[in-house]
Amino acid sequence: ETGVTQTPRHLVMGMTNKKSLKCEQHLGHNAMYWYKQSAKKPLELMFVYNFKEQTENNSVPSRFSPECPNSSHLFLHLHTLQPEDSALYLCASSQVELTGEDGYTFGSGTRLTVV
Amino acid sequence: AQKITQTQPGMFVQEKEAVTLDCTYDTSDPSYGLFWYKQPSSGEMIFLIYQGSYDQQNATEGRYSLNFQKARKSANLVISASQLGDSAMYFCAMREWRGGATNKLIFGTGTLLAVQP
Repeated sequence: ETGVTQTPRHLVMGMTNKKSLKCEQHLGHNAMYWYKQSAKKPLELMFVYNFKEQTENNSVPSRFSPECPNSSHLFLHLHTLQPEDSALYLCASSQVELTGEDGYTFGSGTRLTVV
Repeated sequence: AQKITQTQPGMFVQEKEAVTLDCTYDTSDPSYGLFWYKQPSSGEMIFLIYQGSYDQQNATEGRYSLNFQKARKSANLVISASQLGDSAMYFCAMREWRGGATNKLIFGTGTLLAVQP
C-alpha cells in the first residue's frame, strides 16, 4: 500500500458534470496539499490544509472546492469545469513542521480531461 | 522572494553516461533545504535527494549526487551511469525556515530527461 493514494487515476468529465477527486494518506502526516500540473507549465500549488484547516488558497476558481474531513483524507470537488482545467492533479502530504530532510510525499495523481 | 530556476527544459543522455541537471535558487534566508524529485510518465513525484544549507558535504544517494555550490546558489543533480529507467521529469525544490518551521516547498519548472540506448 503506497503512502499517498489518489483515486481515480484517470477521469474524463463534461463541463456540466460534478465529480470528486480523493486523496488518502497512511503516513500519519497532518498537512495535505493539492497541486495542478498542466502541460508545459510549472506545478501550481492550489490548496494547503494543516490539521484539517485550510491555510492557503492560491486564487483558485470556485469551481474547485476542497474538503479535508480529517488529517488523512483530502477531496477536491469539481463542478462546471472548463477545458483548460484539464491537467494532472497531484495530492501530497507532510508533517506541518518540516525538519531536516522532511519533504512531501506525493500520490500518483489524477489525470483529468474536461470535454 | 524565494525562487527556483531550472534552465534546461529537456536533456538527452546516452545510457551509462553521467548527466547533470541544473538548478539555481534565490533566497535571503540562511536556513533552507533543497530537494530533487523525479516524476516518471506515471505521474507520481518521487523524492530523490536532499541537501541542507548548513550541510558541509554534498548529498549522495546511490547514483544520485547533489553538487551544492552555496556561493553560486546552485544545487545541480548529477546522475551517474544513466539507465533507461531514469527517463523522467526532474524537479528541484526549496524549503525555507524563515526563523521557524515551515511546510512550504517551492518547485522549479522541471527538466525532462531522456536516456537513449
